[in-house]
Formats: sequence, C-alpha cells, structure tokens
Amino acid sequence: AQSVTQLDSQVPVFEEAPVELRCNYSSSVSVYLFWYVQYPNQGLQLLLKYLSGSTLVKGINGFEAEFNKSQTSFHLRKPSVHISDTAEYFCAVTGGGNKLTFGTGTQLKVEL
Amino acid sequence: EAGVVQSPRYKIIEKKQPVAFWCNPISGHNTLYWYLQNLGQGPELLIRYENEEAVDDSQLPKDRFSAERLKGVDSTLKIQPAELGDSAVYLCASSLDGGLHNEQFFGPGTRLTVL
Repeated sequence: AQSVTQLDSQVPVFEEAPVELRCNYSSSVSVYLFWYVQYPNQGLQLLLKYLSGSTLVKGINGFEAEFNKSQTSFHLRKPSVHISDTAEYFCAVTGGGNKLTFGTGTQLKVEL
Repeated sequence: EAGVVQSPRYKIIEKKQPVAFWCNPISGHNTLYWYLQNLGQGPELLIRYENEEAVDDSQLPKDRFSAERLKGVDSTLKIQPAELGDSAVYLCASSLDGGLHNEQFFGPGTRLTVL
C-alpha cells in the first residue's frame, strides 16, 4: 500500500516571499511522484513530476521539487510567490498500488 | 486542443433520486478515470478504464454506483439512489494510456449536492 502525507493544511505567505509545501510518502516499492495544483472551481493541473534521474525537478510557473529517498519526501518550493499562486496543491504518488494516491492538499494563500 | 469536458458542472438533487455525470476525455486518450473529491480531501479513484474495459473498479460502491464507457470514448457515471453522503465533486481524468508515469489530465469536475 502507498500513502501521502501533507502536514500543512494551510500555508499563508506574503507575495514575493519564498514558500515550501511539504510532502512525505510511504511505499514499499519504487515510486513516481507528482505535484498538482487546483485553482478554485477548476480541475487539477500537473505542476511537475519525478520519474527517475535528477532528484531536483523543475516544473511550470517557477516551481521545483526535490526527491529525497532517505527521508521519503518530495517537498515543493518556489523562491518568490505571486498572488496568482493562491490555490490548493496536491502531492501524489504511484507505486505498487498501480494507481495515483493523493494527499489531502495544502491551501497556499498569498497575501499582499 | 480541448481538455477533458464534464457536464453538468453543478447538480443539486434530493436524496434517493438518481443522477448521472458525463465525461468526454481528450481525443486519443485511451485511459479514463473517475475520482471522488470530498471537501478538504484529495481525489480518490473510483474507477479506471482502459478503452472500454473497467480495469480497476475496486473502490466503486457497486450497490449504488455504476459507470460505463461505451465505444471507449466518453463515459457516464451514475448514482442510484443518491445519499446525503454522496455530496462531493466528481472528477474525470484521462491519460494516453495507463502507464504510471503518464500525466493525468483533469476536467473541472461536477459538484453534486444531495439535499
């Protein structure tokens, strides 16, 4: 079985400040890791994914994430956020379960 | 290129009534998914289709939920009868195939309210 833990349900941050959204996973096999973003009343959109190779993955909108196998983490970061980054962010994992398992999400609220 | 299309976007019904949701995936995508998203939660897989075959429906409550994907293109998810606890957003997604590395493209969802 696989699972994803997003410890922070909400993260408030001021515009132009850096942000990190935390994600930890559990799986008995090798995994693929994803971050999706969901804007209000919209479907989920892929930000980035880790399949193999370099542990630092760059995605759209200036986001990046680092895969850390020893800590079973895949934290999402952005050096300078914009008001338009306000959204719900979901970490997800696939592995032995042959399906995409999502975390409970982190609401990022960017304030002026 | 059009994305995943879902209708209706919103649906309000009384409990014990039937309801159906429709999804049209991205053209050429063989794999189609239905997810349930409760408030404050991540999406949870209900059923996955490879073309017209349901290859994973282990999480679909089969006593009241049913789904079909005739001709391997668009799909319908039905609830009969609906219960109060079914109030949620129902998301449809598609991907080129069922490979775990493939990006899933999501539709905007149908928000169901059961009164």
